[in-house]
Amino acid sequence: DVKVTQSSRYLVKRTGEKVFLECVQDMDHENMFWYRQDPGLGLRLIYFSYDVKMKEKGDIPEGYSVSREKKERFSLILESASTNQTSMYLCASSLGHYTDTQYFGPGTRLTVL
Amino acid sequence: GIQVEQSPPDLILQEGANSTLRCNFSDSVNNLQWFHQNPWGQLINLFYIPSGTKQNGRLSATTVATERYSLLYISSSQTTDSGVYFCAVLQGAQKLVFGQGTRLTINP
Repeated sequence: DVKVTQSSRYLVKRTGEKVFLECVQDMDHENMFWYRQDPGLGLRLIYFSYDVKMKEKGDIPEGYSVSREKKERFSLILESASTNQTSMYLCASSLGHYTDTQYFGPGTRLTVL
Repeated sequence: GIQVEQSPPDLILQEGANSTLRCNFSDSVNNLQWFHQNPWGQLINLFYIPSGTKQNGRLSATTVATERYSLLYISSSQTTDSGVYFCAVLQGAQKLVFGQGTRLTINP
């Protein structure tokens, strides 16, 4: 079975803090994705990566950056957390072809106070 | 960009009932997926179905690509089927665009 894990299920941070969310997949997938999910807005793509050290902006990249130094790990960074970044963050991975399904991690619920 | 609309937004049923969830999309697609998000937030892939019909146990899905819609059928609903069901289509090479979801509640 494909396994995608995320570093925390729940996280509480203060405004202005630097926040790291980590995602690891164990199936040698080429592509990895970060989404945020908000009530009434569904899932929105923040960033994705199709190879090590490669990244592409999604629909809402402002206020976020990403890092992919190793194939299995994709990190989402909030340089200076703000209250409007309180959300559920979901990581996903897929093998590489456009027909491939995406597999999701359990999510991190981030609260910024 | 491509638009994805799901209906109904909410559905409340008794255990044992059947249900049909709909997904309309605004452009031709070569990748359509259905997901179930359980009450703990985990998204599980149900079907990859850009066209045709697939079945998995009590669940089945049909996509009519020429008419730009997909249907998810759940038969003999169980309380464990509760959650939010998302349809998602591919835009560009790798970006999935999600619908707003259908929240399904199955009461015992």
